[in-house]
Amino acid sequence: QQQVKQSPQSLIVQKGGISIINCAYENTAFDYFPWYQQFPGKGPALLIAIRPDVSEKKEGRFTISFNKSAKQFSLHIMDSQPGDSATYFCAASKDYKLSFGAGTTVTVRA
Amino acid sequence: SAVISQKPSRDICQRGTSLTIQCQVDSQVTMMFWYRQQPGQSLTLIATANQGSEATYESGFVIDKFPISRPNLTFSTLTVSNMSPEDSSIYLCSVVLGSTEAFFGQGTRLTVV
Repeated sequence: QQQVKQSPQSLIVQKGGISIINCAYENTAFDYFPWYQQFPGKGPALLIAIRPDVSEKKEGRFTISFNKSAKQFSLHIMDSQPGDSATYFCAASKDYKLSFGAGTTVTVRA
Repeated sequence: SAVISQKPSRDICQRGTSLTIQCQVDSQVTMMFWYRQQPGQSLTLIATANQGSEATYESGFVIDKFPISRPNLTFSTLTVSNMSPEDSSIYLCSVVLGSTEAFFGQGTRLTVV
C-alpha cells in the first residue's frame, strides 16, 4: 500500500508555463517532505523540501505548497523550461526513511 | 551534499548468481539506506544499513536475499542473492546529511537474464 499518492502520472506543458504536481499522505507521523528530480539513467536529485510547520517554500522557479490539515502538498514549477523535462517524485520521511510517490513524468515542449 | 559512488554502475547477471553492490561516501555519515527502483516504478526502501550491527529490513525484504554490510561510516555493500529476472531493478544507496536531507547515488542498474 503506497503511503504517498502522487498525481498526475504525466503532464505536458509548454515552455514558460506552470507545472503542478500534487501529493497526499495519510500518516501524520511524517515530518519532512522532499521532492526529487530524476533524469533517465541517473539517481534522484534533491530538489526542494519542506517541514509541516511551514505552508510554503520557494527556491528559484520551484515552490512547495503544504496543507497540513488536508495532508496534501504540491510542487509548482514556474516558467517551465525544456531542461525541466524529467520525472519528479514527492516523498515523505519518518525516522529518516523515505516513502515515495509513484512519480510524475514532466515533458516541457519548446 | 555528499559524493556517493556506487559500483558497478550496471551489470547483466545470470539467474541463480549473486551480485554485490558497493556504496562509498566521501564523508562520514550516520544514516545510510538501500532502495530499489523497479523498471518504470518508484523507489522502495529495502533496509537501513547500520554501522557495526545487522541491517534493519523493511517489510517484504529479508537478509538471506539482500545481505548488507556496513563496516564503517563511509562504506556499505548490498548483495542481491540467488537472482531471478524479478530482481532486475536499479539499486540505490542513500545517505542522510544534516538533520534530514537525503542524497542518492547514481544507482546500479541490474539486469538478470
